[in-house]
Amino acid sequence: AQTVTQSQPEMSVQEAETVTLSCTYDTSESDYYLFWYKQPPSRQMILVIRQEAYKQQNATENRFSVNFQKAAKSFSLKISDSQLGDAAMYFCAYRSPFTSGTYKYIFGTGTRLKVLA
Amino acid sequence: DVKVTQSSRYLVKRTGEKVFLECVQDMDHENMFWYRQDPGLGLRLIYFSYDVKMKEKGDIPEGYSVSREKKERFSLILESASTNQTSMYLCASSPSGRVTADTQYFGPGTRLTVL
Repeated sequence: AQTVTQSQPEMSVQEAETVTLSCTYDTSESDYYLFWYKQPPSRQMILVIRQEAYKQQNATENRFSVNFQKAAKSFSLKISDSQLGDAAMYFCAYRSPFTSGTYKYIFGTGTRLKVLA
Repeated sequence: DVKVTQSSRYLVKRTGEKVFLECVQDMDHENMFWYRQDPGLGLRLIYFSYDVKMKEKGDIPEGYSVSREKKERFSLILESASTNQTSMYLCASSPSGRVTADTQYFGPGTRLTVL
């Protein structure tokens, strides 16, 4: 069965510094998708970044980038130049390929990021 | 912008009551999902639907049922609410994931307390 593990329940970063959130997953599939979602306090969850497993190049979105290590089944999120608005719960998620008429979407347990002024 | 709305932000119910949580999306998405979010457990999938009148069980369907009579609306039903169903419930929708990766768009959540 596929699993997603976020081993850091909470992390802190100084404003303007860089922080990396870890995520590992387990799957026997070769073609899948990985996501990082952000849930700010009392606000809706939104997509931060996504990665297709068949792409070797790491995805980037402005200050957010990932380090995708397929062999190691690792998918970490790097936030550069951290801002107060980055404070949130971050969830790593895995989506399986669409087979047999369905697919699975699995979330990790989340990492709460605090940004210190 | 995609908009996913949920009928209530906060709900308090009594044990044994039948509870309806409604979710509406306005982007003609095929897929809709219901999750519950608990501290330390992340998001766990209860049910999802990838077409009108279609539904599939997620990881924790026990004690819940769903209804999708129209494409834009996906309802979660607690047939007889119990205290262990006290949780945050999140609805999400996404375009078809058959060909490409699908981003999920989430509603604001309903915090349900069962007394």
